Amino acid sequence: GAVVSQHPSWVICKSGTSVKIECRSLDFQATTMFWYRQFPKQSLMLMATSNEGSKATYEQGVEKDKFLINHASLTLSTLTVTSAHPEDSSFYICSASSVSSRRTYEQYFGPGTRLTVT
Amino acid sequence: QKEVEQDPGPLSVPEGAIVSLNCTYSNSAFQYFMWYRQYSRKGPELLMYTYSSGNKEDGRFTAQVDKSSKYISLFIRDSQPSDSATYLCAMSATGNTPLVFGKGTRLSVIA
Repeated sequence: GAVVSQHPSWVICKSGTSVKIECRSLDFQATTMFWYRQFPKQSLMLMATSNEGSKATYEQGVEKDKFLINHASLTLSTLTVTSAHPEDSSFYICSASSVSSRRTYEQYFGPGTRLTVT
Repeated sequence: QKEVEQDPGPLSVPEGAIVSLNCTYSNSAFQYFMWYRQYSRKGPELLMYTYSSGNKEDGRFTAQVDKSSKYISLFIRDSQPSDSATYLCAMSATGNTPLVFGKGTRLSVIA
């Protein structure tokens, strides 16, 4: 099956520093990658859509200068949280879209990265 | 009205019970419907994927889509304690676009 990895799985950083989260599709090429954040006991909220080689499309209310997304290849996307603040503490999850054998798109999620800003 | 409505539960059932999870939606453009299972502090895992209306079965899981009623369901037969998780419905209008998620239903299967 399609596997998506994220690194790191858990990171603690100090307020004002930047953190980079990697999302990789391990056994398929992802046409599109998505970044979500999830607060405790809440559903996933889409932050941005990323296509390889082009600028990410951010959802309304998401600061693109704060959450930098780079989609360097068909298997790697990175999310950098710049000048992190405690309110940025959350669970960040990426997903990668793949065309299945049935010619339909299926989205597979990474295991998530828990960010704690102190 | 939110685009996707899902009862957050929690839902508690005895082991072996049949579980029924549901979502309603308002956007008639949705054609792709998915169910994800998410364990605590883990990423969502794709369980079922359905295009347009109809039923789909995979082991103990059955997904149903009724586009005329804008209603989708996931049935779990012979539920097990390991099925205890949050179940999220998700949908999109085209396959390669962001998913719109329900809030998720927390399920506990009691041994």
